[in-house]
Amino acid sequence: NFMLTQPHSVSESPGKTVTISCTRSSGSIASNYVQWYQQRPGSSPTTVIYEDNQRPSGVPDRFSGSIDSSSNSASLTISGLKTEDEADYYCQSYDSSNHWVFGGGTKLTVL
Amino acid sequence: EVQLVESGGGLIQPGGSLRLSCAASGFTVSSNYMSWVRQAPGKGLEWVSVIYSGGSTYYADSVKGRFTISRDNSKNTLYLQMNSLRAEDTAVYYCAKHDSSGWYFDYWGQGTLVTVSS
Repeated sequence: NFMLTQPHSVSESPGKTVTISCTRSSGSIASNYVQWYQQRPGSSPTTVIYEDNQRPSGVPDRFSGSIDSSSNSASLTISGLKTEDEADYYCQSYDSSNHWVFGGGTKLTVL
Repeated sequence: EVQLVESGGGLIQPGGSLRLSCAASGFTVSSNYMSWVRQAPGKGLEWVSVIYSGGSTYYADSVKGRFTISRDNSKNTLYLQMNSLRAEDTAVYYCAKHDSSGWYFDYWGQGTLVTVSS
């Protein structure tokens, strides 16, 4: 089993760009797809990135995802920040032993 | 339109049992991977259990031997039977549909709160 580690919180101003990291503790980040979920207060999670860098329909292209094998991490980048982007963000991947793994979550503050 | 509606949460004493339900519409539960994911108050998401379309089931170590995932194809409903409940099981429980590849969760219910306390 592996863990996914995210920063507890990040903050940035409206209109700026922020990147949230997700580091895999063991095994290659590239061995299983990484997904990103947005969870606003009081709401269920929704997918903003799937399969490392794919956006579901309806998710603006301000959201992008990538993986970096050198740092064994995935990243979610949000450009042109809006106050509505303020939320918790979770990365997620699949453990080949029929388990799914979430990162601890990152609280994004847009101030 | 895909919809998932959980029910069955509530206040239960430690050691007690509870069964959660997740009524699905807009797709067939038995044709998809379905999972339960929980979120303790103020905490992050934790995957709990999955049932594959073929019927195989898997559990997080934290609930193995105490929780059982199942489905009723005639009712298009997913269940989670929770026994020997502990305080640390207190959480909002979400049912989630996997995408066709199985890698991730493309639809989530609104969640049902389970509180384990005396």
